[in-house]
Amino acid sequence: GQNIDQPTEMTATEGAIVQINCTYQTSGFNGLFWYQQHAGEAPTFLSYNVLDGLEEKGRFSSFLSRSKGYSYLLLKELQMKDSASYLCAAMDSNYQLIWGAGTKLIIKP
Amino acid sequence: ETGVTQTPRHLVMGMTNKKSLKCEQHLGHNAMYWYKQSAKKPLELMFVYSLEERVENNSVPSRFSPECPNSSHLFLHLHTLQPEDSALYLCASSQKPEVPEQFFGPGTRLTVL
Repeated sequence: GQNIDQPTEMTATEGAIVQINCTYQTSGFNGLFWYQQHAGEAPTFLSYNVLDGLEEKGRFSSFLSRSKGYSYLLLKELQMKDSASYLCAAMDSNYQLIWGAGTKLIIKP
Repeated sequence: ETGVTQTPRHLVMGMTNKKSLKCEQHLGHNAMYWYKQSAKKPLELMFVYSLEERVENNSVPSRFSPECPNSSHLFLHLHTLQPEDSALYLCASSQKPEVPEQFFGPGTRLTVL
């Protein structure tokens, strides 16, 4: 079956770095996505990886290893506004997104 | 402004009611989606439309009935729902199903009594 695993909740300190891991199993693979969702709001697109390696976008970076079925989202210089849920999703061979349950990130001062 | 709007934002209905959720996208996209989001569960894809034709129906109960009159509008008609259908219903759009980035609306918080 198709499955996405990511931690349920993580806590980090303002100004620090946090890494949110995601493992996936899908029928075929057309890329790995990270979305951010603040409480009560719509998910917003953060990143897309289809090739192995690290993609950097400001304070956020996303890494993919296709052979390991593994990705992580790295957030640097954490700010209070980064408190949100981070959703990992993999696109299968039918171009459908298979979603994880999300990781709730709590930032403490 | 996400470019995808949904109405109503909140809806409370009884199990015998009939109601409809509306989604509109102003991005010129050709694919639209309905998702169900329950607390602490993954997003569940319900329906996918591409160029107004349904291309995917992930075994959704018939009490949920989608309608896509044109590429900018998507409806979800609800009837005889169950309390377990209470959830956040999200609409999203993308240029086409194969394009990775989806843009989400703010969702409709549905409570079934």
